[in-house]
Amino acid sequence: AQTVTQSQPEMSVQEAETVTLSCTYDTSESDYYLFWYKQPPSRQMILVIRQEAYKQQNATENRFSVNFQKAAKSFSLKISDSQLGDAAMYFCAYRTARVQNQAGTALIFGKGTTLSVSS
Amino acid sequence: EAGVAQSPRYKIIEKRQSVAFWCNPISGHATLYWYQQILGQGPKLLIQFQNNGVVDDSQLPKDRFSAERLKGVDSTLKIQPAKLEDSAVYLCASSSWTSGSYNEQFFGPGTRLTVL
Repeated sequence: AQTVTQSQPEMSVQEAETVTLSCTYDTSESDYYLFWYKQPPSRQMILVIRQEAYKQQNATENRFSVNFQKAAKSFSLKISDSQLGDAAMYFCAYRTARVQNQAGTALIFGKGTTLSVSS
Repeated sequence: EAGVAQSPRYKIIEKRQSVAFWCNPISGHATLYWYQQILGQGPKLLIQFQNNGVVDDSQLPKDRFSAERLKGVDSTLKIQPAKLEDSAVYLCASSSWTSGSYNEQFFGPGTRLTVL
């Protein structure tokens, strides 16, 4: 079974600084997706960034980028120029790319990292 | 485009009572998920529907939880009787379905359940 581990329960960063959130995962599959989701106090899960395992190039979305190390099974999120609105819970998630009869598309989440941003 | 709607947003009940949650997915989305998020943990899948059929309910505590998706649109999740450990946020998500392609999941705002 696949597992996702986030070892940092809490992180803090100053406004305009850069912070990196860590995630490791365990899988025997070679083809999968990895995600970072943001969950503010409103509880709405928002997709921040997605990485396909077959792509060697790290995904980037504006101020958010990932460092995907497939051999090490590591998937960290870097937030540059942090803003007060970035304060939230961040979840790393995994999904297989091999789907049989629609099963397997559910996300497997880590326990999350609470990010606080100070001015 | 309207997002995933859930109601109620909050619910407080006594243990052994029953409760139901409602989810209206994004129009046209064939796949619907219910996740349970206990405080301090990440969401965990309870059940997945494809149209009105169950695809995966392996983690649903079937002795007390039930879910249905009549007509392949709205879905309800019921707990009867509730236990203290059912206190959690219940998230509904939906996605379109294209075989062989990635389909993003869109989440609703969740229902926070407190069992006293």
